[in-house]
Parts: sequence; C-alpha cells; structure tokens
Amino acid sequence: DADVTQTPRNRITKTGKRIMLECSQTKGHDRMYWYRQDPGLGLRLIYYSFDVKDINKGEISDGYSVSRQAQAKFSLSLESAIPNQTALYFCATVGQGTDTQYFGPGTRLTVL
Amino acid sequence: QKEVEQNSGPLSVPEGAIASLNCTYSDRVSQSFFWYRQYSGKSPELIMSIYSNGDKEDGRFTAQLNKASQYVSLLIRDSQPSDSATYLCAVNELSYDKVIFGPGTSLSVIP
Repeated sequence: DADVTQTPRNRITKTGKRIMLECSQTKGHDRMYWYRQDPGLGLRLIYYSFDVKDINKGEISDGYSVSRQAQAKFSLSLESAIPNQTALYFCATVGQGTDTQYFGPGTRLTVL
Repeated sequence: QKEVEQNSGPLSVPEGAIASLNCTYSDRVSQSFFWYRQYSGKSPELIMSIYSNGDKEDGRFTAQLNKASQYVSLLIRDSQPSDSATYLCAVNELSYDKVIFGPGTSLSVIP
C-alpha cells in the first residue's frame, strides 16, 4: 500500500461548491504539506503543518483552508471553488530530522 | 519574494549524451538543495540532495552546488529514454520547514 494517499484522485465540480481533498499517510511523519501545481509554475505551497496544533499558511493560502485531524491526516478545503483553482494538488510529508518530501499521487481538480 | 528559476525547456538530448539541467535561486541563506524528478501524470520523487559546495555523485547523476553564484545544477550521464521527465529544482529556506520549487525543466531523451 502507498505510504501517502490522496482522495479523490480526480474531481470535477462547479463554481461555488465546497470541496474537500484528503491526505493520509502511514509514514509516521509529523510535517505535512499541501501544494498545487499549474503548468509552467511548478509547485506552490498552500498550507503546511508540523503537528495537529501547528498550521501555517503558505504562499497561496487565499481561498483555501485546512484541517489536521490527526498526525496521519491533513485535509484541504475549498470553501467556494472558482475556476482558477483548477489544478493538480499534491500532499507531501516530511519526517523529523530529514528534509525529503514524500508526495502523494495527486488530485486533479477541475472547477467549471 | 524568494525565487527559484529554471529553464523550462524542453531540453532534448540524444540517448547516451550528458543532460545538463540548471537552477538559480535568490535567497543567499538557503541551506539545502534538491532535485526531484516528475514523470508525466505522476508525483515528484527525490533523486538528489546537496548541502555543500562542490559535486555530489550518485550513479549517473551528479549535482553541483555553487553557493557564491547561487547556482545548482544536475548532470545526467549516459542519458536514457527513461530519464525523460520534468526535473524540479527545490531550495530549502533557512528555517528548514519548507522548500521553494522551481517551475521545472522538461527533459526529452531521444533514442
């Protein structure tokens, strides 16, 4: 089984809808991250968390919120989706004392 | 705004040649540097990390770091078609809590 999983893998939604993307990990890592990837722009950080009580905004947090329900789970919400949030979303984890990012398989989100 | 820049490519090299990928970064206090490989439709995976000036070799891959010039590169020797992917340069901020990714360079190895 994959160490970092994301659900759903693909989602098409309409403008104004609320949507949640979920990330789970079995690696026992404390640090978790949410990125979005757009063609030509690389990976941009949305939110990151060091533990369930420590959540931080990244460079593009507007329009997004997160919840760290447990060490193993980190969810990203779009309260009112808009078309320019159409992108590929990745969750990543990092273990203590290391700096290697382990990525989930990604969620392809389309907002119509 | 801290930045990491890469040539977007595509970079095309013949099979067996050396592929050279370049990256520059703006934050002088950056400490850790990474190269991730991303196949089309897949998630990024780490292939090299480097922390000190100079070269670091791992199989066919060599990472080169020059902090004075704020430059990091990746050389792929004996390039194979399976190396065709997008290569993302990433730089860790001093606080070690997050990285900044470049836009990626698309590499195509022609058989």
